Amino acid sequence: SAVISQKPSRDICQRGTSLTIQCQVDSQVTMMFWYRQQPGQSLTLIATANQGSEATYESGFVIDKFPISRPNLTFSTLTVSNMSPEDSSIYLCSVAAGGGHYEQYFGPGTRLTVT
Amino acid sequence: KNQVEQSPQSLIILEGKNCTLQCNYTVSPFSNLRWYKQDTGRGPVSLTIMTFSENTKSNGRYTATLDADTKQSSLHITASQLSDSASYICVVSLNTGFQKLVFGTGTRLLVSP
Repeated sequence: SAVISQKPSRDICQRGTSLTIQCQVDSQVTMMFWYRQQPGQSLTLIATANQGSEATYESGFVIDKFPISRPNLTFSTLTVSNMSPEDSSIYLCSVAAGGGHYEQYFGPGTRLTVT
Repeated sequence: KNQVEQSPQSLIILEGKNCTLQCNYTVSPFSNLRWYKQDTGRGPVSLTIMTFSENTKSNGRYTATLDADTKQSSLHITASQLSDSASYICVVSLNTGFQKLVFGTGTRLLVSP
């Protein structure tokens, strides 16, 4: 299994500012994912972050808005840039670790409110 | 379009009772189907994972079924406890090299005393 922590757990930010969310894993993993969960909705994949390569973004998400860093096999950051109220959401880090089914483990999430 | 639909959207049951949550999917190519439990303020936690050839899998009081022909799955909770109050998310994994996940919107379960 993998234990994931995220910082901050929640934040309230002003429109136009940026917030960087940190994700720390207790073991080395190749694949890390960033998801967004808007109120009352399912999880949506933002991007896949593999160490040593550029993040791969899903349709509708761009690097200028959601830059991602992956400096090593246990850590990643997601920045939400130039925020608007529509960015208010829960952001979750996830990793794929072990097993033939690529079990995915999720962090506790960062609850972001943009005013 | 790959989709996962769940019903009901929400459910209230009395402690000790059983309940069944439903999941229908149109996902291709199918790899496996997962049920996750998400407590309020926490990330999803995996309950079961079933491949195409498996039609039932249990994890304690949770039993998941899969009918790959009709593309339906269910999660049965036996003898519910207050701690079962959470959102239950059905997730289907695409067989695309790495496990790309398609999430349902979840069923919010409230177990009342």
